[in-house]
Amino acid sequence: ETGVTQTPRHLVMGMTNKKSLKCEQHLGHNAMYWYKQSAKKPLELMFVYNFKEQTENNSVPSRFSPECPNSSHLFLHLHTLQPEDSALYLCASSQKREAAIGELFFGEGSRLTVL
Amino acid sequence: AQKVTQAQTEISVVEKEDVTLDCVYETRDTTYYLFWYKQPPSGELVFLIRRNSFDEQNEISGRYSWNFQKSTSSFNFTITASQVVDSAVYFCALSEVDDKIIFGKGTRLHILP
Repeated sequence: ETGVTQTPRHLVMGMTNKKSLKCEQHLGHNAMYWYKQSAKKPLELMFVYNFKEQTENNSVPSRFSPECPNSSHLFLHLHTLQPEDSALYLCASSQKREAAIGELFFGEGSRLTVL
Repeated sequence: AQKVTQAQTEISVVEKEDVTLDCVYETRDTTYYLFWYKQPPSGELVFLIRRNSFDEQNEISGRYSWNFQKSTSSFNFTITASQVVDSAVYFCALSEVDDKIIFGKGTRLHILP
């Protein structure tokens, strides 16, 4: 059983839909992250939350809206997406924000396809 | 600026062969951290190793070994006697102190039976 669980694993949506990705970590970590993995591009950090507070927004378009109600849960709300937003969205957590000190624990990702 | 280059996009070797994955990095800082992660077909990245810039000692863990050379800004990863289960995408990553982790583009490794 993975310590970081992401749902749904696969999502297909139209450009006018509104959907959400969910991430839950069972590791007692205080920092959570959203990464985007597109084909042939490096992993892109999107958002960072530390103790439920957003500490980083990496110039992500407003059609992606994160929410962190508590240290164990992280959501990514999606609306009016574009086909180029199709990617694997990975959630990760770490003991503390300084990821350089601690390792990241990743979920298996949510594969998003925007039609 | 930070940068991680994994020049090998894809590698295929026959099972039991040794294989080395290259990683070259750029950073302005004297204190930084280097990482390797493995991404199997299931999707989740799995942490393999973290190295800080002051520790150039090479590390071995079973069939895995890492060669850190500051003189050439490289942090290469070798798998000895490769197995089919080693097939995955491997990412090298770099972080300066209190900064985000920057990942390379990854090397897709195919171990052929």
